[in-house]
Amino acid sequence: KAGVTQTPRYLIKTRGQQVTLSCSPISGHRSVSWYQQTPGQGLQFLFEYFSETQRNKGNFPGRFSGRQFSNSRSEMNVSTLELGDSALYLCASRREGSPDTQYFGPGTRLTVL
Amino acid sequence: AQRVTQPEKLLSVFKGAPVELKCNYSYSGSPELFWYVQYSRQRLQLLLRHISRESIKGFTADLNKGETSFHLKKPFAQEEDSAMYYCALSGLTQGGSEKLVFGKGTKLTVNP
Repeated sequence: KAGVTQTPRYLIKTRGQQVTLSCSPISGHRSVSWYQQTPGQGLQFLFEYFSETQRNKGNFPGRFSGRQFSNSRSEMNVSTLELGDSALYLCASRREGSPDTQYFGPGTRLTVL
Repeated sequence: AQRVTQPEKLLSVFKGAPVELKCNYSYSGSPELFWYVQYSRQRLQLLLRHISRESIKGFTADLNKGETSFHLKKPFAQEEDSAMYYCALSGLTQGGSEKLVFGKGTKLTVNP
């Protein structure tokens, strides 16, 4: 089975711009979660989507949003980028069922200048 | 509040020596605990979970609810164990949502 894929792998933006990151889960996985990884804060949960619905949300401002499509692919969007948004954004998918392993993608490295 | 603490940012041992990576957690319910590992230039992957009670690559971890700890141990470290290790806690909601709370990670270096 192909693993979780994320595109693009690297992205450079300037302050004030917006960005969209994409995640394709493992085939058959319906849950997609997003995490932000920074040297200072570590790995922090952003949100989880299941069946095109946001099911859980972390403590991030409203500038961070996401969506999930009927094929379980997910996108996350960050508007009005700030320097502090520079991070590695990880996507993880899992099959529904309790409990089950989350499988992580390679991440998208976002740099905000 | 859910919190995971890994007190050591860096840990260095010699090949063949025992290794213990510490993890303490704070959670009001019955937690599920995991160890994730990230080898150089590879993605984050699950190493083991407490409910499986299994040994993976020689690593074991025991959940101690009294001490709220989930330390990762290996009796004889190998150079290929050098990696970043993250302890994580999961609280499943009634709706089935799973949110992982991660510690800051411990970078393990096994010297030859």
